[in-house]
Amino acid sequence: AQKVTQAQTEISVVEKEDVTLDCVYETRDTTYYLFWYKQPPSGELVFLIRRNSFDEQNEISGRYSWNFQKSTSSFNFTITASQVVDSAVYFCALRDTGGFKTIFGAGTRLFVKA
Amino acid sequence: GAVVSQHPSWVICKSGTSVKIECRSLDFQATTMFWYRQFPKQSLMLMATSNEGSKATYEQGVEKDKFLINHASLTLSTLTVTSAHPEDSSFYICSSGGGGSEETQYFGPGTRLLVL
Repeated sequence: AQKVTQAQTEISVVEKEDVTLDCVYETRDTTYYLFWYKQPPSGELVFLIRRNSFDEQNEISGRYSWNFQKSTSSFNFTITASQVVDSAVYFCALRDTGGFKTIFGAGTRLFVKA
Repeated sequence: GAVVSQHPSWVICKSGTSVKIECRSLDFQATTMFWYRQFPKQSLMLMATSNEGSKATYEQGVEKDKFLINHASLTLSTLTVTSAHPEDSSFYICSSGGGGSEETQYFGPGTRLLVL
């Protein structure tokens, strides 16, 4: 069975601090996709990144970076120099390559204080 | 790019009434759509997979007779919450699958349902 675990329920940081959101997943599939989404108070999911299981290269996009470690089944997300606008709930998600069925983690609520 | 819309964005109804939520793929054909439910401060939970022209597949614990799904065309899936009760109050989100890029899945903006 597929499972996504985000152990951090809430994280509170002060603006300009770096913060890492953890994500651990379980799957029996050899090919799969991993995602991070941001959900601001409006509720609409904002796509951040998609990573294929065969691509373990880390990725950086502006202040965001992702560390994919297949050996530990982790896909962690780091925000560098956090800003108040980063305050939101962040979801890690796992999807198989066949059916588009996406399983979400419980989410991590990030509070960035000015 | 591809967009998925939902209507309405907000709905308030009385207990016992039925509510229909529409999910449309605006510029691509979606053979499969997914319906998620999100209670306050919780994660998105998959309710059902909607397949065009066939019966929906429901996840364990989701009542088929209460949450009616119809996917009559390649651009429209509807979720009807029948005889809604306060415990059905939630945020309902649909997403596409099977259309556009193989790797791409698009989420609708969600519908907030409040049952009084």
